[in-house]
Parts: sequence; C-alpha cells; structure tokens
Amino acid sequence: GAVVSQHPSWVICKSGTSVKIECRSLDFQATTMFWYRQFPKQSLMLMATSNEGSKATYEQGVEKDKFLINHASLTLSTLTVTSAHPEDSSFYICSASGGPHNYGYTFGSGTRLTVV
Amino acid sequence: KQEVTQIPAALSVPEGENLVLNCSFTDSAIYNLQWFRQDPGKGLTSLLLIQSSQREQTSGRLNASLDKSSGRSTLYIAASQPGDSATYLCAVLSGSARQLTFGSGTQLTVLP
Repeated sequence: GAVVSQHPSWVICKSGTSVKIECRSLDFQATTMFWYRQFPKQSLMLMATSNEGSKATYEQGVEKDKFLINHASLTLSTLTVTSAHPEDSSFYICSASGGPHNYGYTFGSGTRLTVV
Repeated sequence: KQEVTQIPAALSVPEGENLVLNCSFTDSAIYNLQWFRQDPGKGLTSLLLIQSSQREQTSGRLNASLDKSSGRSTLYIAASQPGDSATYLCAVLSGSARQLTFGSGTQLTVLP
C-alpha cells in the first residue's frame, strides 16, 4: 500500500530557532501533500496544501512566513517552523493522496514539536 | 463549508461487544469518506475508504456504511478487543479544492 514517511517523530527546540519536518511518499509520487496541525484531544486542522513545483496554499489564519513549505520533488515536502515559540508546540502531520490503487489519503506518523 | 460531527466523543465498552460509531456531514456532495484510527501520539492509520458511489466497505471486523443523501456514515466494530482502543476519526473529501475535513473523533476504550 501507499506509505508516507515523516521525520523526525519528535523534536525539542529552543525558542527562536527553526525546525524542519520532512514528509516523503515512499512508493508513489505525490504531486500534492498536505500539512495538518493537531492540538491535544482535538482533531486535525489543515494548515496548507503543498504543490510540487509551485507555491503552497495556506489556510486562513496560517502564517506563511512562519510555516515555510517546500515541495521540491514528487516524493518530498518539507515544513519549516521558523523562529519557533512555545505556542507552536503541537503535533504536526503530513499526508499525501495517491498510490496506484487509490488508497485515499495516507498519513505520516506525525511529529511532536516541543518548543522550550 | 463542510462540517463533520462524530458521536459519541468517547465510548467505553467491555471486550467482546459490538459497537457503532457515528459520523455526520453537512454537505452531501462528497467524493469519498474515510475512517481512520489514531493511537496516542501517533499518526493516522486508514481503516476504510468509501467512494461516494458506494454504500459500504468491509475489512475484517470493521464495516463502514455511507448514506450520502442523509449525510451519515457509521463504523461498526464487531467483537471488540482491547487492541481496538484508540481514537477513530471520520473524514470527508469534498469541495472544488478536494479538501479533507475531519470530525473531532471518538475515543474508544475496550475494557478487558
């Protein structure tokens, strides 16, 4: 089946630093990937849609200068949280649609970001 | 704007029981509906995908139904096991942007 790998699974960083999260589709090409944020005991909220070779589309209220998205290839999208602050601490999950048998949306394992 | 609601928010059952999780959505013009499982601190695992033209899908002890006209889906879990304990999320794909909208989930606990 379609597999999406997300790395790292957890990261702790100091306030003011930047963190990069990678999302890879391992066995299929994904022209579009999605980035979600999930707060404790809440559902997933779409942050942005990452399009290969073009600029990402951000949801209302998401700062594009703070959450930089790069989708340089058909199998890799990255989310960089710039100048992180404690309020950016959250669970970030990526997903991609595709695969040869229409598996719907496949999700990565998520990244737990803690900003101290 | 699509809205997805899941009831109940939490459910606790003894091992062996059959149970039903509910999902409703406001805009019936969907492409598909997907049920996911999420374990604490983990990503999402896809359980079942129902296309808009389908009425149900089955996988092992899981059966999901879709009634698009009424905006409802149910996930039936037969003979529940402690390993089924997790949060179950329903999501619908809809809109010109083909956006996936999630419900808030049902936290299931199966007691041994």
